[in-house]
Amino acid sequence: GENVEQHPSTLSVQEGDSAVIKCTYSDSASNYFPWYKQELGKRPQLIIDIRSNVGEKKDQRIAVTLNKTAKHFSLHITETQPEDSAVYFCAAVQGAQKLVFGQGTRLTINP
Amino acid sequence: GAVVSQHPSWVICKSGTSVKIECRSLDFQATTMFWYRQFPKQSLMLMATSNEGSKATYEQGVEKDKFLINHASLTLSTLTVTSAHPEDSSFYICSARGSDGLPYEQYFGPGTRLTVT
Repeated sequence: GENVEQHPSTLSVQEGDSAVIKCTYSDSASNYFPWYKQELGKRPQLIIDIRSNVGEKKDQRIAVTLNKTAKHFSLHITETQPEDSAVYFCAAVQGAQKLVFGQGTRLTINP
Repeated sequence: GAVVSQHPSWVICKSGTSVKIECRSLDFQATTMFWYRQFPKQSLMLMATSNEGSKATYEQGVEKDKFLINHASLTLSTLTVTSAHPEDSSFYICSARGSDGLPYEQYFGPGTRLTVT
């Protein structure tokens, strides 16, 4: 089955700097890769996703890149703000199958 | 659109008792619902997948007789934790996938925090 590895487990950056979180997956059949932001005690919120037929997707300060050959994808947050502080999860899924989550990255934005 | 609710949002129960958690899709029909468990500072771990009208499929290591899942309608799934013990204390989150949307889109409920004393 699919296995998703996420790094780093914690990340601390200065406000205004960029943050990058990386994930690798094992199943080459996976074709959808969402990223979730979870605040303490809340539900995961989808912030951006990418499908396997696209190499990069951007939404304002957030971007995701996908390298199918290497089987890794990354989340990029630019111009970080204090409200970006949260736990971020990557996930991978094949079609209508189950989501497989990474271990999570606790992002702290220092003012 | 695509709103999923859970009830209760938090519950405290005594060891040995059972507790039921409801997951509802409010504005769409959920053909598939997923139940996750999340321990503090850990990732979401899938417990089981349920399709409306069918028996749930449990992940390896999840006791199906302890975590009873019912998905009797297209808008409601329930998770019953039977004979709860303190180690069952966790954050339980459901998600739902509709029949009309993209096959991989899931909508998460707000979660239920269970504390077993």
